[in-house]
Amino acid sequence: SQQGEEDPQALSIQEGENATMNCSYKTSINNLQWYRQNSGRGLVHLILIRSNEREKHSGRLRVTLDTSKKSSSLLITASRAADTASYFCATDASGAGSYQLTFGKGTKLSVIP
Amino acid sequence: DARVTQTPRHKVTEMGQEVTMRCQPILGHNTVFWYRQTMMQGLELLAYFRNRAPLDDSGMPKDRFSAEMPDATLATLKIQPSEPRDSAVYFCASGLRGGVGNIQYFGAGTRLSVL
Repeated sequence: SQQGEEDPQALSIQEGENATMNCSYKTSINNLQWYRQNSGRGLVHLILIRSNEREKHSGRLRVTLDTSKKSSSLLITASRAADTASYFCATDASGAGSYQLTFGKGTKLSVIP
Repeated sequence: DARVTQTPRHKVTEMGQEVTMRCQPILGHNTVFWYRQTMMQGLELLAYFRNRAPLDDSGMPKDRFSAEMPDATLATLKIQPSEPRDSAVYFCASGLRGGVGNIQYFGAGTRLSVL
């Protein structure tokens, strides 16, 4: 079953604008991760935020986590055409000895040059 | 440049045929995952292994799917007999449990079409 649910399902913006994607989940987590998938390719890990962190930055990416609301957001600043991809959140709710991530269905981002 | 390698990249077959997909995980990784991705269902976990032992294959239709790891450098996913509803992209991912978080590294996938 899906743990993370991304919102919106699709987003279209102009190059240079910021893109914000949201993720909601249902259970307690150890960490939450964001992945990118370019068309026809595998998923690529972007950033991980632990349950005791509230915000994390990596280059043009900013991730926030609100464990009280069980939600996270991914902000891509100054978007580029190359950012066009699907973005997935994945939750690590694994206990000791478990290894699973649960992925949402993704947000499809289109950046128009 | 360490990466997960999947073969074949594309496979077209007829219903009832056997399909074998292969995955070479990143050297040193101790967990291997098989996923299936479709437009309708998104990314579904089929099975995963730790240190070559199957830990969970509850996401896999047991009657026709099987997953094995004959050695640390090879994981296989087999469908026999294949059906049109098996058409999807199958991904292998590997990771290092005990590393930073539980990050997974994905291969480029095998796009399977069953006619």
